[in-house]
Amino acid sequence: AQSVAQPEDQVNVAEGNPLTVKCTYSVSGNPYLFWYVQYPNRGLQFLLKYITGDNLVKGSYGFEAEFNKSQTSFHLKKPSALVSDSALYFCAVRDLSGGSYIPTFGRGTSLIVHP
Amino acid sequence: EADIYQTPRYLVIGTGKKITLECSQTMGHDKMYWYQQDPGMELHLIHYSYGVNSTEKGDLSSESTVSRIRTEHFPLTLESARPSHTSQYLCASSDAGQANEQYFGPGTRLTVT
Repeated sequence: AQSVAQPEDQVNVAEGNPLTVKCTYSVSGNPYLFWYVQYPNRGLQFLLKYITGDNLVKGSYGFEAEFNKSQTSFHLKKPSALVSDSALYFCAVRDLSGGSYIPTFGRGTSLIVHP
Repeated sequence: EADIYQTPRYLVIGTGKKITLECSQTMGHDKMYWYQQDPGMELHLIHYSYGVNSTEKGDLSSESTVSRIRTEHFPLTLESARPSHTSQYLCASSDAGQANEQYFGPGTRLTVT
């Protein structure tokens, strides 16, 4: 079984400050982990993914995420937030041992960056 | 340009009408998906397909049906629309392999009056 949790419904940060959007997961085997962003009235856009290798993954628009196996976490980070980063962020997981191509998405975290 | 398209973007329709939401992708992806999403909320998988002539129901009970006659085309049909169907519908596709990310269309915002 696979599941993912985004413990914060909303994250507020001032422009220029670092941001973190949290994600924890549960899988039976090894995980594939993904982050997506959704702007208003749009579909989701892929940001980055972890498959294997380096625990720090770099993605689009200056975002990065750190895979932590012991804490079963995959937090999304950015060193300096922009107002234009304000959007809805989704974490997703696939369990390699499950054999399914269907990811499980988190409930989403609304990021608000204040000028 | 490789992309995924959904039409219409917005649709307002009366109760009892039959509607088809269109989804097409030009990336040659085998796998396609339909999600339902209330604004700003989580995604619910309603249908998916692993390839031509393959369709499966997702986690969310739905009164909709899908077909996959061509690789690039994955339409969603509601035989009789109800106000409870009011939502946003997102289509997505992905290439072979579990590690591949999904590509999403812009969505169709459906309102049933």
